[in-house]
Amino acid sequence: DAGVTQSPTHLIKTRGQHVTLRCSPISGHKSVSWYQQVLGQGPQFIFQYYEKEERGRGNFPDRFSARQFPNYSSELNVNALLLGDSALYLCASSLRTVNTEAFFGQGTRLTVV
Amino acid sequence: EDKVVQSPLSLVVHEGDTVTLNCSYEVTNFRSLLWYKQEKKAPTFLFMLTSSGIEKKSGRLSSILDKKELFSILNITATQTGDSAVYLCAVENQAGTALIFGKGTTLSVSS
Repeated sequence: DAGVTQSPTHLIKTRGQHVTLRCSPISGHKSVSWYQQVLGQGPQFIFQYYEKEERGRGNFPDRFSARQFPNYSSELNVNALLLGDSALYLCASSLRTVNTEAFFGQGTRLTVV
Repeated sequence: EDKVVQSPLSLVVHEGDTVTLNCSYEVTNFRSLLWYKQEKKAPTFLFMLTSSGIEKKSGRLSSILDKKELFSILNITATQTGDSAVYLCAVENQAGTALIFGKGTTLSVSS
């Protein structure tokens, strides 16, 4: 059974560009969350989607947006990239939204130069 | 503001030692506390704790939650080099929409 899959695994972008990261959850999981992890810190919550609706949003600027598709996969978009956006972006899937284990993908390492 | 504090931030032990990692938290309307192991990229799920005083165990790893004192510990007995990783503690926020993570404890096990 496939786990959470994310693509691409690595990405290098230039300041000001736009990036799209993709996530496929575990089969049967309807909730997808996105986290940003910078070096030396724990993951920081960006978005949660459940049944294609945004259920939660972290303290990130409007340059960050996301959506969830009918097959429960998800995209995270970041516009006008800044050097500070360089991080590991993690996707987590879970069966539901509360009191449930969240399983993470391998992440996308984004480097902004 | 919801907060998770882990200690120590780093730890170096010898193979065979027993270690205890600490996690204290402040969260409105506690739902659950989770432990993860992160070796390179993906945090790997270890335990989810919701009830106070009930130990969760998996092989050499165990964890317990104290809801009165607002902390949890993760114990690893007979450590092996493969236990070297960052151990992350997280609590579910009140709305159930996010996990709030601590900075993690970096464990290094030398042979």
